[in-house]
Amino acid sequence: RKEVEQDPGPFNVPEGATVAFNCTYSNSASQSFFWYRQDCRKEPKLLMSVYSSGNEDGRFTAQLNRASQYISLLIRDSKLSDSATYLCVVNHDRGSTLGRLYFGRGTQLTVWP
Amino acid sequence: DAEITQSPRHKITETGRQVTLACHQTWNHNNMFWYRQDLGHGLRLIHYSYGVQDTNKGEVSDGYSVSRSNTEDLPLTLESAASSQTSVYFCASSESRLGTLYGYTFGSGTRLTVV
Repeated sequence: RKEVEQDPGPFNVPEGATVAFNCTYSNSASQSFFWYRQDCRKEPKLLMSVYSSGNEDGRFTAQLNRASQYISLLIRDSKLSDSATYLCVVNHDRGSTLGRLYFGRGTQLTVWP
Repeated sequence: DAEITQSPRHKITETGRQVTLACHQTWNHNNMFWYRQDLGHGLRLIHYSYGVQDTNKGEVSDGYSVSRSNTEDLPLTLESAASSQTSVYFCASSESRLGTLYGYTFGSGTRLTVV
C-alpha cells in the first residue's frame, strides 16, 4: 500500500466553481502534512501546511482527519490560474522531526473559462 | 535572497557516461534530497542527507550516488548513465527545528536525457 494516495483526476471545472481534493495516508504516526502545487514542467511549490484544527488561506481550506487518516483541500471560486497538479504530502517518520516527506502522485486540476 | 539552484537545467548524455548534477542551497538547511519525476510515478526519492557527511538511500537509489561535504551542496552522480535514467531531477532542502518539520523548497529541476 502506498504511503500517500490521491485521486489523480483530472478535475475539469469552470471558473468560479468549488472543487475538493482528498488524499489518504497509511501511517497513523504521521506528524506533518502539506499541500504542494506543481505547474507543468516546473518544480513543486508549497501551497500550505495542514494543521490539526484545519486552516484557511484565502480561497484555500485544508482539513485533516486523523481518525480516518485523510487530508482534504478545498478551493473556492476557482481561477484559471489555479490550473495545476496538487500534491498531498506527509511526513511518516514516527516521532521524528527529521525532514523526510512522502508525496502523493498528485491530482490534476484544469479550470476553464 | 536565499535560494536553491540546480545545474545544468538540461543535459543530454550518452549511455555509459558518468554524469553529475549539481545542487546548491544558501538557506543553510541541514536536510537535502534528490528526487526524480516520471509520468505515472510521481516524485521518487533517490538519496537524501540530514547533514554534512550523512547520506541515505531512497527508494530508487540503484545507479546513483551522493556525497555531502558541506552544508550547501549535494551533488548527484549517475555512475554509468542508462536510458532508464532519462527523467526530470529535482533537488530539495528543508529544515527541522524546535520539534517542527518544515516543508521542502525545491530547485527548478534538471531535465536529463540519456541517449
